Amino acid sequence: NAGVMQNPRHLVRRRGQEARLRCSPMKGHSHVYWYRQLPEEGLKFMVYLQKENIIDESGMPKERFSAEFPKEGPSILRIQQVVRGDSAAYFCASSPLDRGGYGYTFGSGTRLTVV
Amino acid sequence: AQRVTQPEKLLSVFKGAPVELKCNYSYSGSPELFWYVQYSRQRLQLLLRHISRESIKGFTADLNKGETSFHLKKPFAQEEDSAMYYCALNQGAQKLVFGQGTRLTINP
Repeated sequence: NAGVMQNPRHLVRRRGQEARLRCSPMKGHSHVYWYRQLPEEGLKFMVYLQKENIIDESGMPKERFSAEFPKEGPSILRIQQVVRGDSAAYFCASSPLDRGGYGYTFGSGTRLTVV
Repeated sequence: AQRVTQPEKLLSVFKGAPVELKCNYSYSGSPELFWYVQYSRQRLQLLLRHISRESIKGFTADLNKGETSFHLKKPFAQEEDSAMYYCALNQGAQKLVFGQGTRLTINP
């Protein structure tokens, strides 16, 4: 079991480009969570998804950010027209249950740098 | 608002000395708290949960509702304990609120 797989590990984008971050949950996990870690800060919740459903996107910025978890394939966090302030580490977690924190398995993260 | 505070960004102790990483929270309901650890070049992983009242790698954490704290303790630090430690609160609805983290360094 490869665990939660995130790719790419590092992503560099110029201002105005799009960033796509991928997360494949652990086998058997149907709940995916995305968190963002800005420099010198803790992880902050962004969105919680189940297959084909966004359950809670209360932590997502209102513009430019979107997330999906299709029936087939990984979950995608998409950031359009990136700005310098989007530079951060983005972590994905998955769980087999719908209880936050219990049973979470984290990926290694994607470090996004906007230049 | 729900909040988790880890007042120390950096903590350095000598091998064999006791360790205490502080965590305070604010939450109106019955809290569910966790400690996560991230070793160098590894992913974030769950260390322990307050409801299980377990000891993992010699670490324990007791929930003190009166002081709204969930400090992580270990009586004798080991070099392999050097890592980033995050305290987290289950906010409900499958969301965790994390503290800023404490970087623990164990000196030989």
